[in-house]
Amino acid sequence: KAGVTQTPRYLIKTRGQQVTLSCSPISGHRSVSWYQQTPGQGLQFLFEYFSETQRNKGNFPGRFSGRQFSNSRSEMNVSTLELGDSALYLCASSPHEGTQGPEAFFGQGTRLTVV
Amino acid sequence: GQNIDQPTEMTATEGAIVQINCTYQTSGFNGLFWYQQHAGEAPTFLSYNVLDGLEEKGRFSSFLSRSKGYSYLLLKELQMKDSASYLCAVRDRRNSGYSTLTFGKGTMLLVSP
Repeated sequence: KAGVTQTPRYLIKTRGQQVTLSCSPISGHRSVSWYQQTPGQGLQFLFEYFSETQRNKGNFPGRFSGRQFSNSRSEMNVSTLELGDSALYLCASSPHEGTQGPEAFFGQGTRLTVV
Repeated sequence: GQNIDQPTEMTATEGAIVQINCTYQTSGFNGLFWYQQHAGEAPTFLSYNVLDGLEEKGRFSSFLSRSKGYSYLLLKELQMKDSASYLCAVRDRRNSGYSTLTFGKGTMLLVSP
């Protein structure tokens, strides 16, 4: 079956703009988690969505938001982009809420560059 | 909050054994994971420990000591394809009841011929 699909793979935006990233989970998976990965901070948890509801949230400013649709696809939005938002954004899908490890699979990520 | 420490870089020779250590501090420990991430690729799950002891899976083993807040990933019979970043991640159950997965910054392993 198809893996986790993230689009676009690469994105260049200007400071102050906003951006929307998309994640399509594995078929049948209802949970989607988002992470930001930077060389300095590593992988940091942004939020988790399950059944269209945000279930868990990391320590990121309100400029970072997301949503999940009825087909479990999720979008992440970052408004008023800052240079420090340049990162690889990863999403992971799993069949159940809050699961990790062998049941959770990561997408290839979206590489966002803010100039 | 949580604090997860692992070495930034390690080097080893093909065929050798390498141990990657991870120390953590957390208030609601609920499991420790190891992931492998090749450059430009998604992290992939390697192992999971929730009880003390050693979990073996082929060439990879992972150990956990909850009382010491310590884990290691042991890679045997190293191959060139094992060159990657190895991420230690701790699952922490919050007062809300939800669990959060916190990652270390990763250990870049370089395997040389």
